[in-house]
Amino acid sequence: AQSVTQPDIHITVSEGASLELRCNYSYGATPYLFWYVQSPGQGLQLLLKYFSGDTLVQGIKGFEAEFKRSQSSFNLRKPSVHWSDAAEYFCAVGAQFGNEKLTFGTGTRLTIIP
Amino acid sequence: DTGVSQDPRHKITKRGQNVTFRCDPISEHNRLYWYRQTLGQGPEFLTYFQNEAQLEKSRLLSDRFSAERPKGSFSTLEIQRTEQGDSAMYLCASSLVGNPAEAFFGQGTRLTVV
Repeated sequence: AQSVTQPDIHITVSEGASLELRCNYSYGATPYLFWYVQSPGQGLQLLLKYFSGDTLVQGIKGFEAEFKRSQSSFNLRKPSVHWSDAAEYFCAVGAQFGNEKLTFGTGTRLTIIP
Repeated sequence: DTGVSQDPRHKITKRGQNVTFRCDPISEHNRLYWYRQTLGQGPEFLTYFQNEAQLEKSRLLSDRFSAERPKGSFSTLEIQRTEQGDSAMYLCASSLVGNPAEAFFGQGTRLTVV
């Protein structure tokens, strides 16, 4: 069965500082990997996805993520955070074949301090 | 197309009452998913449809839960005899069949059972 671990429940970062959110996955084959962002009381917005090819993927709002097969990781990064990035971030894994349902991690809450 | 739409956004109900939620997917999407998200957790898969066929149900979906997608367009999720433990955000997502696929989420229905 597929699973996702986000080891950091809550991260606080100063505005303008760099950010890295960790994600480790467990899946028997090459996975589909996603990062979603959720603002309070809202649904999920897709930031970026990895299906195949280049292991460094670019997303919206200046985010990027790197797929490292040897470490089973898909960490999210941003070189300089903005106050509007404060939200909950979820990493998810999906099967390449089949119903493509997603398995989510428990999320990392990001707080930005001025 | 404005994306995935869910109605209502919020629902407060008394324990033991029945509730029904509606999801309107992106019009050309033939897959529709329901997820449940409790406080402090990531979304958990409940069930999904391909067109009007319900192809998989999670063990989380007890007998009190039923989902339909009668014409392969909108879907409804009904909870009978609600319990306090049903309080959660219910998220709907839709996607196209294919490889790769990506799910677009609605803003969710927040259910509070009192």
